[in-house]
Amino acid sequence: DAKTTQPNSMESNEEEPVHLPCNHSTISGTDYIHWYRQLPSQGPEYVIHGLTSNVNNRMASLAIAEDRKSSTLILHRATLRDAAVYYCILSRFNAGGTSYGKLTFGQGTILTVHP
Amino acid sequence: GAVVSQHPSWVICKSGTSVKIECRSLDFQATTMFWYRQFPKQSLMLMATSNEGSKATYEQGVEKDKFLINHASLTLSTLTVTSAHPEDSSFYICSAGEYGTEAFFGQGTRLTVV
Repeated sequence: DAKTTQPNSMESNEEEPVHLPCNHSTISGTDYIHWYRQLPSQGPEYVIHGLTSNVNNRMASLAIAEDRKSSTLILHRATLRDAAVYYCILSRFNAGGTSYGKLTFGQGTILTVHP
Repeated sequence: GAVVSQHPSWVICKSGTSVKIECRSLDFQATTMFWYRQFPKQSLMLMATSNEGSKATYEQGVEKDKFLINHASLTLSTLTVTSAHPEDSSFYICSAGEYGTEAFFGQGTRLTVV
C-alpha cells in the first residue's frame, strides 16, 4: 500500500477552521484517500473519502491536489469534540467488497482543540 | 449508519487465563471482519482477517494459536486471547464494512492482564 505522511500534531482554537495536511506522493490511480479519526479510548470513525474531486459532507471537507499527491482535511469550525487522532489512509475498493475495512494505519495527526 | 458492536468494553483477567472478545455487526451481514490491536500511544495494527465459515488469515508475527478467531455467523466474530500474559494487555478493535461503504469500527475492548 502507498504510504501517507502527516504532521505528528496540530493545535486549533474552538470555532476556528482546521486544515490537516496529508502527503501521499506514491499514490496510484486506483487509490482512494480516506480519513478516519479516533477519539480517546474509542474505535476509529469514518470522516470522509475521495478519489479526485473535492468532497464535502456534514463532518468535513476534503481538498485533493490536482496531482493527487497531497490532500487536506478541513474542519470548518473546530469543536472540543473534534480533538482526536486523524488518520489519512489510502485504500483500494475491492469489487467483491471482502477486503473493504482492511486499512493500514499510520501514526496520524493528534489534533488538540483549545477552548 | 451501520453499527459494529464489541463486548466487553473492558476486561481484567489473571495471567494464564483466556479471554473472549465478541464483535457483532448489528444491521448488516459481514462475511469479513478485521481485528486490530493498539498499544498505548501507538497506531492500530492489523492482527487478522476473520472470514465467515473459514479460517482466519493472520498478519505476519501474530500467533494464530494464541489469538483464536472464530467467525461462525455473518454477524459475529470472536477473538479469544489464550493463556494471556501482561504483554497482551492492549486495546483490541474490530471492524467490518459492507460493499461500497466505509469501514465501521467497534468501540474497542481494553484488555488488562494482571
